[in-house]
Amino acid sequence: KAGVTQTPRYLIKTRGQQVTLSCSPISGHRSVSWYQQTPGQGLQFLFEYFSETQRNKGNFPGRFSGRQFSNSRSEMNVSTLELGDSALYLCASSLSSSYNEQFFGPGTRLTVL
Amino acid sequence: AQSVTQLGSHVSVSEGALVLLRCNYSSSVPPYLFWYVQYPNQGLQLLLKYTSAATLVKGINGFEAEFKKSETSFHLTKPSAHMSDAAEYFCAVSVTTGGATNKLIFGTGTLLAVQP
Repeated sequence: KAGVTQTPRYLIKTRGQQVTLSCSPISGHRSVSWYQQTPGQGLQFLFEYFSETQRNKGNFPGRFSGRQFSNSRSEMNVSTLELGDSALYLCASSLSSSYNEQFFGPGTRLTVL
Repeated sequence: AQSVTQLGSHVSVSEGALVLLRCNYSSSVPPYLFWYVQYPNQGLQLLLKYTSAATLVKGINGFEAEFKKSETSFHLTKPSAHMSDAAEYFCAVSVTTGGATNKLIFGTGTLLAVQP
């Protein structure tokens, strides 16, 4: 069974631009969560989607948004990029919104110049 | 609020030595606890999880962890370190919010170095 895939793997943007990251969960998984990883703040929860609905949201500004499609694939969008948005963005999938085991993708490394 | 604390941001052991990575949790409800490993330029891989079934949890690659409620700890151990164990290890607790439990709160991580 294929694992969680994230595209692109690496991305370079400039301040003020916007970016969209994509995540395809493991087949049959309906819950997708997003995390930001930085050296300073560590791993922080962004949001979780289940059946196309946002179930949880972390403490991030409104510039960070996401969505989930009917096939469970998810995208996250960051608008008006700031230097501090440079991070590894990790996607995790799970069977359901109350199943405790999450499987992580390889991440997208975003660099904002 | 639930949280985890990992003691020691860097741990160095010799190959063949015992690995002990410390994690303490704070939770007002019975927690679900996890250990993940991250190799350079990769995502997180689940090593093991505690979901109240048994206090001693065995995971992949020879790792295990023991849930001690009295000490609010969930330390990760491996009897004999291999060079391939060098990586960053994260302890995490699952947060229950409105019935959904897929929000993980991570510790700050412990970078394990294995010396030949």
